[in-house]
Amino acid sequence: GPKVLQIPSHQIIDMGQMVTLNCDPVSNHLYFYWYKQILGQQMEFLVNFYNGKVMEKSKLFKDQFSVERPDGSYFTLKIQPTALEDSAVYFCASSWTGADYTFGSGTRLLVI
Amino acid sequence: GDSVTQTEGLVTVTEGLPVKLNCTYQTTYLTIAFFWYVQYLNEAPQVLLKSSTDNKRTEHQGFHATLHKSSSSFHLQKSSAQLSDSALYYCALNNNNAPRFGAGTKLSVKP
Repeated sequence: GPKVLQIPSHQIIDMGQMVTLNCDPVSNHLYFYWYKQILGQQMEFLVNFYNGKVMEKSKLFKDQFSVERPDGSYFTLKIQPTALEDSAVYFCASSWTGADYTFGSGTRLLVI
Repeated sequence: GDSVTQTEGLVTVTEGLPVKLNCTYQTTYLTIAFFWYVQYLNEAPQVLLKSSTDNKRTEHQGFHATLHKSSSSFHLQKSSAQLSDSALYYCALNNNNAPRFGAGTKLSVKP
């Protein structure tokens, strides 16, 4: 079936630097989401995005985080500057209706 | 806010035997959907089951779950576990914003 692609699959970055995680959602999907999963822990909701706007964000969505989807291209999560505690797997998901979700395989981010 | 509780971090079962993964929830919303997601190693979580109807059994791939609003539960069961069922299982609820996940239960099926 249709897939959500996340690029890159792995990223290592120096603390304090900026990182952009890219998500290529299912075409025609309108709702987009980011989740964070620290190793051995549960997936935590970060943010959802619809019609060019952040609809809801959790306490984990720090001021250093931002999301956008310029001109229907990738849905991106930018972290600037990165911190050690940002090391995690970040999952992107998209949805047509806001009720069924397709997840990507995640980007494994390591901040050193 | 919403919360989902999965009490077992790891469930180990012998192939061919029944398995049950527990899920309870708390929510203040009246209209919500419930999901079980399965995540195989290094793959994306994918929907296994979903339901929003009280006391109705939902089945897929040999697994079944029944939403019981009276007990705030949505347990996942299978009558005969297979080796290929070994994976991470998440219970989640959606209140029309975004799915909220439980901590997950790792299911390990042994020969």
